[in-house]
Amino acid sequence: SQKIEQNSEALNIQEGKTATLTCNYTNYSPAYLQWYRQDPGRGPVFLLLIRENEKEKRKERLKVTFDTTLKQSLFHITASQPADSATYLCALLSNSGYALNFGKGTSLLVTP
Amino acid sequence: DGGITQSPKYLFRKEGQNVTLSCEQNLNHDAMYWYRQDPGQGLRLIYYSQIVNDFQKGDIAEGYSVSREKKESFPLTVTSAQKNPTAFYLCASSIGTPNTGELFFGEGSRLTVL
Repeated sequence: SQKIEQNSEALNIQEGKTATLTCNYTNYSPAYLQWYRQDPGRGPVFLLLIRENEKEKRKERLKVTFDTTLKQSLFHITASQPADSATYLCALLSNSGYALNFGKGTSLLVTP
Repeated sequence: DGGITQSPKYLFRKEGQNVTLSCEQNLNHDAMYWYRQDPGQGLRLIYYSQIVNDFQKGDIAEGYSVSREKKESFPLTVTSAQKNPTAFYLCASSIGTPNTGELFFGEGSRLTVL
């Protein structure tokens, strides 16, 4: 069966450090992968999309890598800030080709 | 401002009652989606619609129904047949299929069955 796995344990880091979140998947052949941010009680907000032919993508302090051989994406936040504290979700296109499947998300807490 | 509006934000229901959650978008998006989120769980797809008057079941459609009579609106009815309806419900939209772009989400509706 298809699975999207993200670290279930919360990630606690100190302000200014780099946070690295992992997304592993099985039984997908994705042409792309998306990352979203979700704050408590709110809807997810899109952050980045990376395609299979893009090894790395950057947006401001965010960096995403995509390794289709390892079936893994890494999501980095450099110079992290307390405002970065949230749950981060990765998503892949479902078998239907018309909707996204999401991982359970990893909670990030950045402390001053 | 364009966006997706879900209402109500909080809803309480007695067992055996149907309830309808509203989702309206003014982004002129063709595709709309309903997801369910439980604590510690990922988003699970309930229904999706690519065009008006057409919709497809997602992974957990049992006990739910939808309609898509207008491009802007995609209401979700949680029926009494849904055995565990207490959850956070999220509506989303996209320009087309999400293979080139993002999903835009509403702020969610939290349903509690008493």
